[in-house]
Amino acid sequence: AQTVTQSQPEMSVQEAETVTLSCTYDTSENNYYLFWYKQPPSRQMILVIRQEAYKQQNATENRFSVNFQKAAKSFSLKISDSQLGDTAMYFCAFMKGWGTDKLIFGTGTRLQVFP
Amino acid sequence: DAMVIQNPRYQVTQFGKPVTLSCSQTLNHNVMYWYQQKSSQAPKLLFHYYDKDFNNEADTPDNFQSRRPNTSFCFLDIRSPGLGDAAMYLCATSDPTSGVYNEQFFGPGTRLTVL
Repeated sequence: AQTVTQSQPEMSVQEAETVTLSCTYDTSENNYYLFWYKQPPSRQMILVIRQEAYKQQNATENRFSVNFQKAAKSFSLKISDSQLGDTAMYFCAFMKGWGTDKLIFGTGTRLQVFP
Repeated sequence: DAMVIQNPRYQVTQFGKPVTLSCSQTLNHNVMYWYQQKSSQAPKLLFHYYDKDFNNEADTPDNFQSRRPNTSFCFLDIRSPGLGDAAMYLCATSDPTSGVYNEQFFGPGTRLTVL
């Protein structure tokens, strides 16, 4: 069975600074997908960034980038130039394949960005 | 804008009183999911529909049922809610035939309180 672990329940960062959220996972699959989702207070969960396991290059989306270490089964999210709107719960998630495979989530990291 | 809508956003029910949560989508996706997110825990998949095919997770309690009368709507029925069923319920959709990886789009959730 696959598991996803987020060891930081809460993080805080000052506006314009950089913060890194940690995620580790466990799987015996070779082909899978990893995701970071953002859930702002009282709003829906939205996809921040994804990584295909077969790609060695780390994914980047504007201020968001990941450090994907497949051998270590680590998938951290770096947020550069943090903004107040980045305040949210961040979930790391795993999907083992294609089609209707379910997302397996970590317990989340609550990020607070301070002015 | 195409979206996933959940009604109501907040639902209060009494112990043992049946309750129905609603999800609708304008994305025309053929897969719809229901996740349960308890406080400080990871969202957990209860079941999903691929078109009209129902797929139940092995550990989903019998107390939880679902209906999908058409592509746009999906309902979550809790037959006899217990205090342990208090949670945020998230609906998501996806289109595995879209040619891109199977991104799931989430609604804002319904927070269920059981008195």
